[in-house]
Amino acid sequence: GESVGLHLPTLSVQEGDNSIINCAYSNSASDYFIWYKQESGKGPQFIIDIRSNMDKRQGQRVTVLLNKTVKHLSLQIAATQPGDSAVYFCAEKNPGNTGKLIFGQGTTLQVKP
Amino acid sequence: NAGVTQTPKFQVLKTGQSMTLQCAQDMNHNSMYWYRQDPGMGLRLIYYSASEGTTDKGEVPNGYNVSRLNKREFSLRLESAAPSQTSVYFCASRLSGVNEQFFGPGTRLTVL
Repeated sequence: GESVGLHLPTLSVQEGDNSIINCAYSNSASDYFIWYKQESGKGPQFIIDIRSNMDKRQGQRVTVLLNKTVKHLSLQIAATQPGDSAVYFCAEKNPGNTGKLIFGQGTTLQVKP
Repeated sequence: NAGVTQTPKFQVLKTGQSMTLQCAQDMNHNSMYWYRQDPGMGLRLIYYSASEGTTDKGEVPNGYNVSRLNKREFSLRLESAAPSQTSVYFCASRLSGVNEQFFGPGTRLTVL
């Protein structure tokens, strides 16, 4: 079956540096991808999303890149802050209208002051 | 708007006991979802309801039942709890035509 995986379970960065969190997906038919941030004891919170007909999408301090050739997704966080410390999940959606998301295992981002 | 709310926040059960986890959303969303999250793993879909009056199995439905009570509420029932169901349960909702799911704060369930 399809799966969404993350390359690294934990990423440690210095405050102010840029962070890059990677994600591999296996279903080339997936038409939508989304990144969530989950702080300790809370539910996942939307960060940014991208449709499969796009390569890049930018938000406030975050950028998502999609490489369909190698089925790879990345989340870039500029000028990482202590408040960015959390677990980050990528998820993919297959075509269809059920809206079901398939989640990766998550990467823990630790920001060192 | 309260968004997606879940009750209870915490629950401890003994093996064999039953309970219902409640979820409600006030965003007039059509679709609702129940996930479980285990340590070191992402969220896995238990059941979902694409619209009021319909429910379907997700990836890990065994041991659970759901009820879409109305457009706002979607409950998850454990008829006979097992230690393997110890997990954090999240409810989410989505508006038709929009892919983003909005999540509740979760229910932490321990089955002894």
